[in-house]
Amino acid sequence: IVMTQTPLSSPVTLGQPASISCRSSQSLVHSDGNTYLSWLQQRPGQPPRLLIYMISNRFSGVPDRFSGSGAGTDFTLKISKVEAEDVGVYYCMQTTQSPLTFGGGTKVEIK
Amino acid sequence: EVQLVESGGGLVQPGGSLRLSCAASGFIVSRNYMTWVRLAPGRGLEWVAGIYSAGDSYYTDSVKGRFTISRDNSENTLHLQMDNLRLEDTAVYYCARRVDTTRVLDPWGQGALVTVSS
Repeated sequence: IVMTQTPLSSPVTLGQPASISCRSSQSLVHSDGNTYLSWLQQRPGQPPRLLIYMISNRFSGVPDRFSGSGAGTDFTLKISKVEAEDVGVYYCMQTTQSPLTFGGGTKVEIK
Repeated sequence: EVQLVESGGGLVQPGGSLRLSCAASGFIVSRNYMTWVRLAPGRGLEWVAGIYSAGDSYYTDSVKGRFTISRDNSENTLHLQMDNLRLEDTAVYYCARRVDTTRVLDPWGQGALVTVSS
């Protein structure tokens, strides 16, 4: 499954919202009825960190300014008010079908 | 605490070999689907290999026949044997566990840098 993210880069003013889109080449609905679409954040020099799983569930310790939505083949990650610590590259990832695949990444940077 | 600690990265010439290790604590490697993911310079995350609890393993096409994923149950450790390395294998390699219920990758190792250069 090919995952396509837009935009490639997102310059954002501190305190303003940011939005990242992810589209899959086929439906991510598993035969068990769940949709295994996650969002990861990777800060420079660090391993990826899980933010959102199964479309819209925030992982433990993730601030509530991060939210996920979508269904089927179209998904969105939103940051309600960007903070300096949010700088990094964001990836969508599907684990509905093997092999797992990632979007190309979206770089969030401060204007 | 659930944790993965990697070791074994380094500089190697084209055609050479390297073995990465990923030591787990807080869970049993052999009872989980484990995977290796890499981040090459200027590129995005790429799945490399995975091994199921039953022992069957899978690889991305570009490493088939050159990389081998395995586990040492006595050491609760995951390995990635990399042979016939190419320049394009240069990357930071991460190990990760896939959680069965949610299919998320968590935790991740800290990463091991592999540089293939002459």
